[in-house]
Amino acid sequence: DTEVTQTPKHLVMGMTNKKSLKCEQHMGHRAMYWYKQKAKKPPELMFVYSYEKLSINESVPSRFSPECPNSSLLNLHLHALQPEDSALYLCASSQMTGSSYEQYFGPGTRLTVT
Amino acid sequence: AQSVAQPEDQVNVAEGNPLTVKCTYSVSGNPYLFWYVQYPNRGLQFLLKYITGDNLVKGSYGFEAEFNKSQTSFHLKKPSALVSDSALYFCAVRDLLRGYQKVTFGTGTKLQVIP
Repeated sequence: DTEVTQTPKHLVMGMTNKKSLKCEQHMGHRAMYWYKQKAKKPPELMFVYSYEKLSINESVPSRFSPECPNSSLLNLHLHALQPEDSALYLCASSQMTGSSYEQYFGPGTRLTVT
Repeated sequence: AQSVAQPEDQVNVAEGNPLTVKCTYSVSGNPYLFWYVQYPNRGLQFLLKYITGDNLVKGSYGFEAEFNKSQTSFHLKKPSALVSDSALYFCAVRDLLRGYQKVTFGTGTKLQVIP
């Protein structure tokens, strides 16, 4: 099973709302990632979790708050977002050791901030 | 830092013809290279990777890629294109950031297969 699931598929929120994105994988991967992708552009790395600890934060604004409750789950909490934060948010996972460094992506959450 | 470049924003090919999507890389040390495909409104799907070994790598959906060290290239190929191959293709390279692995993506190439 190489599936990464993400919920919700679509999310519309106002600038004062608080919402959360969820990601789940059952491949035993110990690295999990959040990316932001604008239309026709490559994904931009936001956060990396390794063994449930935040290891990389690519200078992401504090209105995005990641959380890794366990080795299978990854959340992204959203608060006071701006219209320019509208994008496709992708979750991915990968192994940490061996030669299988490829990342497996979820289908994404399409976020619209109004 | 490691990087990849995709020189073509878009590639058009007739259905049934061979296709090539180009990628060149710049790395220090041994390259770990990947190809991903993204269909409209979907996440990225892993197609294939080069870690070491044979220069011709076979992947999903009939795609293959040729690793060329002297030309620092990793072009994606398919002998006979299908309309359903129309999508956005990303070349990528493994990189390390503060000791943690990450993937750096190219800018993407839109493949349009014409019936």
